[in-house]
Amino acid sequence: AQTVTQSQPEMSVQEAETVTLSCTYDTSESNYYLFWYKQPPSRQMILVIRQEAYKQQNATENRFSVNFQKAAKSFSLKISDSQLGDTAMYFCAFTGYSGAGSYQLTFGKGTKLSVIP
Amino acid sequence: DVKVTQSSRYLVKRTGEKVFLECVQDMDHENMFWYRQDPGLGLRLIYFSYDVKMKEKGDIPEGYSVSREKKERFSLILESASTNQTSMYLCASTLTGHTTDTQYFGPGTRLTVL
Repeated sequence: AQTVTQSQPEMSVQEAETVTLSCTYDTSESNYYLFWYKQPPSRQMILVIRQEAYKQQNATENRFSVNFQKAAKSFSLKISDSQLGDTAMYFCAFTGYSGAGSYQLTFGKGTKLSVIP
Repeated sequence: DVKVTQSSRYLVKRTGEKVFLECVQDMDHENMFWYRQDPGLGLRLIYFSYDVKMKEKGDIPEGYSVSREKKERFSLILESASTNQTSMYLCASTLTGHTTDTQYFGPGTRLTVL
């Protein structure tokens, strides 16, 4: 079974600074995908960024980037130039094949990020 | 934009009641999911469906059932609600079963069982 671990339950960062959220995972699969999802207070969860295990290049989406270390099974999220709107719960997620024509996401327990003005 | 809606934002029920949570997506997505979100536990998959009338158990299916009679609608059923089912319930959908698909989430239903 796959597991996803987020070791930081809560973090805070000053506006305009950079923050890194940690995520480690455990799997025996060779082909998989990793995701970071964001859940703002009282709002719907949305995808922030995704990474394919076969791609060595780290994914980037505007101010969001990942540091993917496959051998270490580490997938951290870096947020640059933090904004107040980045305040949210962040979930790291792993996908593996369920064998039923679909796939199943395994989520970490989340990191609550607060951006301080 | 994909829209995933859930029938209620807040729901209060009594122990033993039968509870229906409904989820509707408007983008012809094949796959739909029900998660339960609890503080400190993250999201846990209850059931998912990859086609009409098809369902598969997730990690915590006990005490729940699901129904998917139409492609756009996926219902979560608590046959006899219990206090330990008090939680936030999230519905999600994906276009296909490809592993790179984005999951689109609904706003959630916060269920309290008294």
